[in-house]
Amino acid sequence: EVQLLESGGGLVQPGGSLRLSCAASGFTFNSYAMSWVRQAPGKGLEWVSAISGSGDTPYYGDSVKGRFTISRDNSKKTLYLQMNSLRAEDTAVYYCAKSPSGSYYMAYFDYWGQGTLVTVSS
Amino acid sequence: DIQMTQSPSSLSASVGDRVTITCRASQGISNFLAWYQQKPGKVPKLLIYVASTLQSGVPSRFSGSGSGTDFTLTISSLQPEDVATYYCQKYNSAPFTFGPGTKVDIK
Repeated sequence: EVQLLESGGGLVQPGGSLRLSCAASGFTFNSYAMSWVRQAPGKGLEWVSAISGSGDTPYYGDSVKGRFTISRDNSKKTLYLQMNSLRAEDTAVYYCAKSPSGSYYMAYFDYWGQGTLVTVSS
Repeated sequence: DIQMTQSPSSLSASVGDRVTITCRASQGISNFLAWYQQKPGKVPKLLIYVASTLQSGVPSRFSGSGSGTDFTLTISSLQPEDVATYYCQKYNSAPFTFGPGTKVDIK
C-alpha cells in the first residue's frame, strides 16, 4: 500500500525557514517523480515544486522560485522541501504527491499524503 | 506560462442530474490534463488522467473529454457523495498548474 507521510510543519515567523519531509513507503521510491502541492486555508490547490525520480531537474512555481528547494534522498525514501524567506502568503497545508512515472511525462498525482500545516505569522 | 480556468466556479444540482464542468487552457496542452475531486476536509483524489482515462476505482458515472485547450468533466448522474470541489491540472510541461476549482453541491 502506498503511503506518504508529511512532517515538519508548524508556526514560523515571517522571514524564517522550515524544512518539510515526506516519508514514502509501499512503492519503489526512486522510480517516481514527486511533487509538493499546497492549499491555503479556504483556497484552491497550488502546485509548488517537482523533482524527478533520479533527483535531477527540479521545477518550481513562480511564487516560490529562489526561496524553496526540493530534494530527495532515495536511500531514505524521503522527499524534502526546504522553505526559506517565508511569507504570510506561504501559509497553507503542504501535500506531497506521487506521480505515476519517474519523469515529468506523466506529472499528475496518483497518491497524496495527508498534508502538514505551515503557518507563517508573527 | 499557460493559465487554467474553470467554469462554473460553483454549481448546485439535483441528485440524478447530469453535471458538466469545463476547464480551459490558455494554450494547447494536447491531452495532458488530469481531474481531481476534493471532498470537504479531505485529501484530493485523482479521477481522470490523459483527459479521458478513468483512474482505477473511480465510478463510471465520471467521464472526461477534450483535447488542446478545452476539456470537460461530466458526472452522468450526480450522487450525494459527489459533493466536492473539482480541479483540473495541466501536466504537459512545468509549471503543472491547477485550475481554480469548481464547487459542486446538491440542490
